[in-house]
Amino acid sequence: AAGVIQSPRHLIKEKRETATLKCYPIPRHDTVYWYQQGPGQDPQFLISFYEKMQSDKGSIPDRFSAQQFSDYHSELNMSSLELGDSALYFCASSAGQGLGEQYFGPGTRLTVT
Amino acid sequence: AQTVTQSQPEMSVQEAETVTLSCTYDTSENNYYLFWYKQPPSRQMILVIRQEAYKQQNATENRFSVNFQKAAKSFSLKISDSQLGDTAMYFCAFTLRDDKIIFGKGTRLHILP
Repeated sequence: AAGVIQSPRHLIKEKRETATLKCYPIPRHDTVYWYQQGPGQDPQFLISFYEKMQSDKGSIPDRFSAQQFSDYHSELNMSSLELGDSALYFCASSAGQGLGEQYFGPGTRLTVT
Repeated sequence: AQTVTQSQPEMSVQEAETVTLSCTYDTSENNYYLFWYKQPPSRQMILVIRQEAYKQQNATENRFSVNFQKAAKSFSLKISDSQLGDTAMYFCAFTLRDDKIIFGKGTRLHILP
């Protein structure tokens, strides 16, 4: 069965640079969620999209922006990167059927040096 | 606001033993979903078990079972016949239908040979 795809899997950037993370949800899933997991921490919700519209927003810095495209893939854009942005970024998708089921991708490990 | 609390930061058990991980949560909602996720060293988020709050019957998945006490807002995970491959970080998590997932701080479980 198809799973959530995230690219790249690993990314190394320098401070003040920009990074773009991509997420391809499971086919026919219309909802995408982004989570950030710092070292030794639990995942924290950043932002979500339903049918290409932002549906909820968590503790996402103003330096970050995201969108969902017509093919339902999503991109998380991160600018003016800081050392503290080093984390594992998960994307999850769901079919939006009210069943509380989210399927997680393998994550993108971002290292800011 | 919903919260999830895991009071055991770390646990160790011998292989083949049974272990129980504790979780409590707080919500004023009546319909919600609870999960246990496993995160091995690869850091992939793996869904172990899912419980729907409106179902009184405790969920089971092979060696994994939960004790869901809705009135007490308690949701513990029991792992029977523990195996070395069960060594991982375990997160208790909560969500409302298609809402963001809220994670506990995690319990690091070591299965000893």
